[in-house]
Amino acid sequence: AQSVTQPDIHITVSEGASLELRCNYSYGATPYLFWYVQSPGQGLQLLLKYFSGDTLVQGIKGFEAEFKRSQSSFNLRKPSVHWSDAAEYFCAVGARQAGTALIFGKGTTLSVSS
Amino acid sequence: GAVVSQHPSWVICKSGTSVKIECRSLDFQATTMFWYRQFPKQSLMLMATSNEGSKATYEQGVEKDKFLINHASLTLSTLTVTSAHPEDSSFYICSAKGTDDGYTFGSGTRLTVV
Repeated sequence: AQSVTQPDIHITVSEGASLELRCNYSYGATPYLFWYVQSPGQGLQLLLKYFSGDTLVQGIKGFEAEFKRSQSSFNLRKPSVHWSDAAEYFCAVGARQAGTALIFGKGTTLSVSS
Repeated sequence: GAVVSQHPSWVICKSGTSVKIECRSLDFQATTMFWYRQFPKQSLMLMATSNEGSKATYEQGVEKDKFLINHASLTLSTLTVTSAHPEDSSFYICSAKGTDDGYTFGSGTRLTVV
């Protein structure tokens, strides 16, 4: 079955500290992987995506993610968190084939303490 | 970049009435559009996949007679919530898959049924 697992429901990080959000996937085809961020009451903003090539992907707002095929993981990282990073983060998996929808993880809520 | 316009951004309707939500791809043709539903503090759940010129494919548990999806052109898909009830109150988001293999999301529609 195709699925995305985000093991951490809620994470609190001190401002300026590093961050890693975990994502594991189970997918039958070659996966396209995404990280989105959502602020309360807002839509989704794409942070970064991985299709192929270099397994370390750089995104917006200083985020990066590393694709590890052997571990079926696509963890999101940021070296120094800012208070404005507090939001809901979703990992998602899709495929290249037309008509293939994204499957989302349950999300991780990030809180930033001062 | 690819843009998907979703309207309205929020709507309040009376129980028993119908509400239509539009999703337009502004600068690309979307052969396939996807409709998601998001309950508060939860993830996005795929409701249906909408293919231009054909009937939508609904996910298990989604009532196709309640959630009418029409994809009349390559740039427009609509979701009509028929005979809405308070339990239909939710955040609805559309998505389209572009030629760059990415997924572009609308900004979402907050539906409140009173």
